[in-house]
Amino acid sequence: GIQVEQSPPDLILQEGANSTLRCNFSDSVNNLQWFHQNPWGQLINLFYIPSGTKQNGRLSATTVATERYSLLYISSSQTTDSGVYFCAVPGNQFYFGTGTSLTVIP
Amino acid sequence: EPEVTQTPSHQVTQMGQEVILRCVPISNHLYFYWYRQILGQKVEFLVSFYNNEISEKSEIFDDQFSVERPDGSNFTLKIRSTKLEDSAMYFCASRWTGGWNEQYFGPGTRLTVT
Repeated sequence: GIQVEQSPPDLILQEGANSTLRCNFSDSVNNLQWFHQNPWGQLINLFYIPSGTKQNGRLSATTVATERYSLLYISSSQTTDSGVYFCAVPGNQFYFGTGTSLTVIP
Repeated sequence: EPEVTQTPSHQVTQMGQEVILRCVPISNHLYFYWYRQILGQKVEFLVSFYNNEISEKSEIFDDQFSVERPDGSNFTLKIRSTKLEDSAMYFCASRWTGGWNEQYFGPGTRLTVT
């Protein structure tokens, strides 16, 4: 199956700081999604981004499919951004990455 | 905005009991999925379902598991005889058409086996 690795595994930020989360995948894909898992365990769709760049408020994502990676940018972080961020790609099944656990402190 | 719903939000059961987790996918979606997330770990694929049959399943999805779409709206996951290691969050997801369009996830059911 496809290997999906995320970095860093853990990140602690001061409120207002910016950050970049990375997702590497081992094979060519035609789809990639980013999710935020909130403290209640819910998976929130952030981006469906097979390629290129998308922006949604303080968040943006870029996927470079030919180089097999995607980046999630969080600007001006807020405490509500805390949680685990997952990327996921399709293959024979849908493969989730290992996640980045983000803690934003006031 | 349409959303995937799941019931119950939390289920506690004793080892060896059967449980049924329920999902209502988005109404015009055709592909349905179940995933599992053991506490502190990543989300793992269990099974995909299309046209009233399983299209793909992982090695986790053994004979203890089954899925069904009993009517036009519900999609269920049954665990026949629960084990302690079945304790996890179970997510249902759906998507619209062929190809790998965006998957929409439900809020999850937290299953605790005691």
